[in-house]
Amino acid sequence: AQKVTQAQTEISVVEKEDVTLDCVYETRDTTYYLFWYKQPPSGELVFLIRRNSFDEQNEISGRYSWNFQKSTSSFNFTITASQVVDSAVYFCALSEAFRTGNQFYFGTGTSLTVIP
Amino acid sequence: DTGVSQDPRHKITKRGQNVTFRCDPISEHNRLYWYRQTLGQGPEFLTYFQNEAQLEKSRLLSDRFSAERPKGSFSTLEIQRTEQGDSAMYLCASSLVGVNTDTQYFGPGTRLTVL
Repeated sequence: AQKVTQAQTEISVVEKEDVTLDCVYETRDTTYYLFWYKQPPSGELVFLIRRNSFDEQNEISGRYSWNFQKSTSSFNFTITASQVVDSAVYFCALSEAFRTGNQFYFGTGTSLTVIP
Repeated sequence: DTGVSQDPRHKITKRGQNVTFRCDPISEHNRLYWYRQTLGQGPEFLTYFQNEAQLEKSRLLSDRFSAERPKGSFSTLEIQRTEQGDSAMYLCASSLVGVNTDTQYFGPGTRLTVL
């Protein structure tokens, strides 16, 4: 079974629009970590955020914000006032910390294109 | 540059040849991970080391794959008798085990093409 589901394969928005990338996860553990990474065309995965399962506070960092809801097993990512530089593939990942040495389970990614 | 580095960035080889990739983690990080990523997919876990010990290997890691981290610093991933299905991006990541410090930081990857 897929542990992390990113149902949106591709999204296109016009610059300055807001966009939300969805992430749904599945785990039986009570202690786990959720991550978002950005993969620009150069290929390197860039860390964006880490959230542990005991911290459901939403977080905002500049134009980025994250909404963590344990009740729906979701960890969604919103970019406000999108810019062309936001164009990339975004991955959501789950780590079950005490099970397999922090192995990450990645979703299949959402490819975001911001049109100028 | 103090990030994770990988060498080479690109490798083209013929089927049946052996290839070896190198990863240099962030210097104080004690965990090192290898992932494989194919087009349109997220990275898939292959194996990881804590210091020099290889603690887990995925079922994806066939007998043709071997990884080492001899002194707990850099790591190598070798693929013997390459097959076309091995064509992928091979990603290395490192982390520091501890509270709030287990985030994995990724290198730029080695793109392997098997002809």
